[in-house]
Amino acid sequence: AQSVTQLGSHVSVSEGALVLLRCNYSSSVPPYLFWYVQYPNQGLQLLLKYTTGATLVKGINGFEAEFKKSETSFHLTKPSAHMSDAAEYFCAVSDGGYQKVTFGIGTKLQVIP
Amino acid sequence: GAVVSQHPSWVICKSGTSVKIECRSLDFQATTMFWYRQFPKQSLMLMATSNEGSKATYEQGVEKDKFLINHASLTLSTLTVTSAHPEDSSFYICSARDPDRGQTGELFFGEGSRLTVL
Repeated sequence: AQSVTQLGSHVSVSEGALVLLRCNYSSSVPPYLFWYVQYPNQGLQLLLKYTTGATLVKGINGFEAEFKKSETSFHLTKPSAHMSDAAEYFCAVSDGGYQKVTFGIGTKLQVIP
Repeated sequence: GAVVSQHPSWVICKSGTSVKIECRSLDFQATTMFWYRQFPKQSLMLMATSNEGSKATYEQGVEKDKFLINHASLTLSTLTVTSAHPEDSSFYICSARDPDRGQTGELFFGEGSRLTVL
């Protein structure tokens, strides 16, 4: 069985500050890992994904995440927060390309002017 | 590419009535679609996997007779909430995978449908 833990249901950062959203996963096989963003009353949009290969993956809007197998982590970062980054972020894991995707509880990011 | 559209985006209905939500893949053929339910301040809960031309696979605890899923074509899946009650009020989201993108595992989501049952 796979699972995702997102530490911190709410994170507040100042505009221009570093964004760090934490995600730890559990999987019995090499995982596929994802970060999705959700704006109010909308569906989810993929930010970035890790399947195989380079462990540091870059996504849209300046976000990146690093897969650390030893720490079972896939934390999301962005060097400088923008007001438009305010949204809910979901970390997700699956056991393969066609397998079920399990989502974390989500982290609501607030950006303070 | 890989756009998924949901309709309606919001719906209000009376208790005891049925509501149908449509999920369409606009530029790809989706043999499999997924239906999620999202509660406030909670994650997405997978309700069922919708397979084109066959019966949906429901997750444990999801009432099959309550949430009817039909996947009649490669671009359309529908979720019907039958005899809706206030506790069915929620945000329902569909998603699909684009088979032409290979085994990336990426899901493409609809805009979501907010159901309010009075």
